Amino acid sequence: GENVEQHPSTLSVQEGDSAVIKCTYSDSASNYFPWYKQELGKRPQLIIDIRSNVGEKKDQRIAVTLNKTAKHFSLHITETQPEDSAVYFCAASRRGITGGGNKLTFGTGTQLKVEL
Amino acid sequence: GAVVSQHPSRVICKSGTSVKIECRSLDFQATTMFWYRQFPKQSLMLMATSNEGSKATYEQGVEKDKFLINHASLTLSTLTVTSAHPEDSSFYICSAPLLTSTSTDTQYFGPGTRLTVL
Repeated sequence: GENVEQHPSTLSVQEGDSAVIKCTYSDSASNYFPWYKQELGKRPQLIIDIRSNVGEKKDQRIAVTLNKTAKHFSLHITETQPEDSAVYFCAASRRGITGGGNKLTFGTGTQLKVEL
Repeated sequence: GAVVSQHPSRVICKSGTSVKIECRSLDFQATTMFWYRQFPKQSLMLMATSNEGSKATYEQGVEKDKFLINHASLTLSTLTVTSAHPEDSSFYICSAPLLTSTSTDTQYFGPGTRLTVL
């Protein structure tokens, strides 16, 4: 099955700096890579996702890059703010030809702390 | 965005009792739902895939007779933890994928259920 590794496990940055979180996956058939933000005791919230036919996607201060050859993808947050502090999870899945929901394999999570 | 609800949000029970958790997709239909378990400071681990009208698919190592899943309708899946023990204490989260012509079955998560077994 799929295996997703995520680094670093913790990340502290100063407000305004950039933060980068990296993930690698093992299943070359995976074609969908979402990133979730989870605050303590809350549900994971989708912040950005990318499909395998795209190399980069950006949404305001958040961007994701994907390198299919190397099987890794990264989350980039620019101009970090204290409210960005949370646990971030990467995930991977493969959408079947016939569609339908497909299970996500999650990375181990990164605790991001944005300090004033 | 799509909304998924879970009930209850928190439950405390005695060892040996059974607990039922409901997951509902409020504004869309979901033929498939997923159940995850999350221990403190750990990642989400998939327990099983709930399929409307058929048996659930369990991940390796998850006891199907202990974690009973019923997908009664296109908007409701239930997880019953039978004969719960303290080691079953965890945060249980469901998710449901929303399929559109342009998205890749984006999964929306419920708010989670905190189970504490005394």
